[in-house]
Amino acid sequence: DAGVIQSPRHEVTEMGQEVTLRCKPISGHDYLFWYRQTMMRGLELLIYFNNNVPIDDSGMPEDRFSAKMPNASFSTLKIQPSEPRDSAVYFCASSSTGLAVYNEQFFGPGTRLTVL
Amino acid sequence: DQQVKQNSPSLSVQEGRISILNCDYTNSMFDYFLWYKKYPAEGPTFLISISSIKDKNEDGRFTVFLNKSAKHLSLHIVPSQPGDSAVYFCAASAIGNQFYFGTGTSLTVIP
Repeated sequence: DAGVIQSPRHEVTEMGQEVTLRCKPISGHDYLFWYRQTMMRGLELLIYFNNNVPIDDSGMPEDRFSAKMPNASFSTLKIQPSEPRDSAVYFCASSSTGLAVYNEQFFGPGTRLTVL
Repeated sequence: DQQVKQNSPSLSVQEGRISILNCDYTNSMFDYFLWYKKYPAEGPTFLISISSIKDKNEDGRFTVFLNKSAKHLSLHIVPSQPGDSAVYFCAASAIGNQFYFGTGTSLTVIP
């Protein structure tokens, strides 16, 4: 199993540009999570999907952030326009059961975003 | 508002000695706790978990202790090995809610 796949691994962009992060969850997993890691706040849950449907997006910091999951094997996190404070590592994770069942989430390697 | 706190950003331990990583939480509704381990340039991987019905869970060299009255959990690694050098995140959850992660503790095991 290839695990959770994220692309790109690194992204450097200029303020105001659109950024799109991509994720392929583990096949058969029906939950997908987007996290952001910063030094100050650790790992923050931005949004999660169940069977391609967004369930909770209360962690999305503002309207500049949007996420989609058009099918079971692909999700995107888009930032438009990007700002320097968006610089962080963004992780995608998937699991085969919901949050209420306390099973582990499998994380991708992350995308390190730098906004200049 | 950080509901899970790891107040030590870093820890250095000699190989063979015990590593103790601490985590505090504020929400008394949390009833399930996990530790994740993260190497550089990789995503976090699950290490060990504990539910609130227990106060200790052991898996090989790793033991997690839970003190519900103090809202505190700790991860003990004994004996520590250089390969344990990584960032460790604790996470907590209440039924039907998301996992809340701490800010992480970077462990360095010195050979």
